[in-house]
Amino acid sequence: SYVLTQPPSASVAPGQTARIPCGGDNIGSKSVHWYQQKPGQAPVLVVYDDNDRPSGIPERFSGSNSGNTATLTISRVEAGDEADYYCQVWHVSSDHAGVFGGGTKLTVL
Amino acid sequence: EVQLAESGGGLVKSGESLRLSCAVSGFDFSKYSLNWVRQAPGQGLEWVSSISSSSDFIYYADSVKGRFTISRDNARQTLDLQMTKLRVDDTGLYFCARDPAGVPQYFQLWGRGTLVTVS
Repeated sequence: SYVLTQPPSASVAPGQTARIPCGGDNIGSKSVHWYQQKPGQAPVLVVYDDNDRPSGIPERFSGSNSGNTATLTISRVEAGDEADYYCQVWHVSSDHAGVFGGGTKLTVL
Repeated sequence: EVQLAESGGGLVKSGESLRLSCAVSGFDFSKYSLNWVRQAPGQGLEWVSSISSSSDFIYYADSVKGRFTISRDNARQTLDLQMTKLRVDDTGLYFCARDPAGVPQYFQLWGRGTLVTVS
């Protein structure tokens, strides 16, 4: 099965840059998507296809993907960015197809 | 306005069945792949099942294969998830999510979820 690995937590001061990694075997060959989930809310897509943003998502959110690591970068972090972030790929195999990382809780100090 | 609304959740006992539904509005239901994603209390997201726009492609997580059945009715614009032989570890919030196109890729739009509790 295909596994995506994320650190459970990350912290950043307001105005600084947060980088959230997502590790996977040769993940650079796949399209990676990122979701933001705030407490009590449904997830929201913030980056798709490695580095594209849905309409309404600030330019502060960007992504990169190469080798065995994809990264979500949030520039000029704001208090409202505090949330759980999940990476996801579509990888069809015998036991799954949609795959999520375990999630990273981003704390804004 | 584009919306997805899940229903059918509730409290059931281990071994029982439950049928979830997802009603949509604001877009052409028949053109999009649809998915179920769940989240156990205090845990991360877990993909459950996906169905392409014409039902040609259906996928299940290994954890639900043989117990859950995803289906859609493009004429009635409904997505269902029939869940049988429920287990305690099936407990969680079940989200309906829409893809950007007719085959599964990623989860562009989400409903608010319906809670399933298995005791």
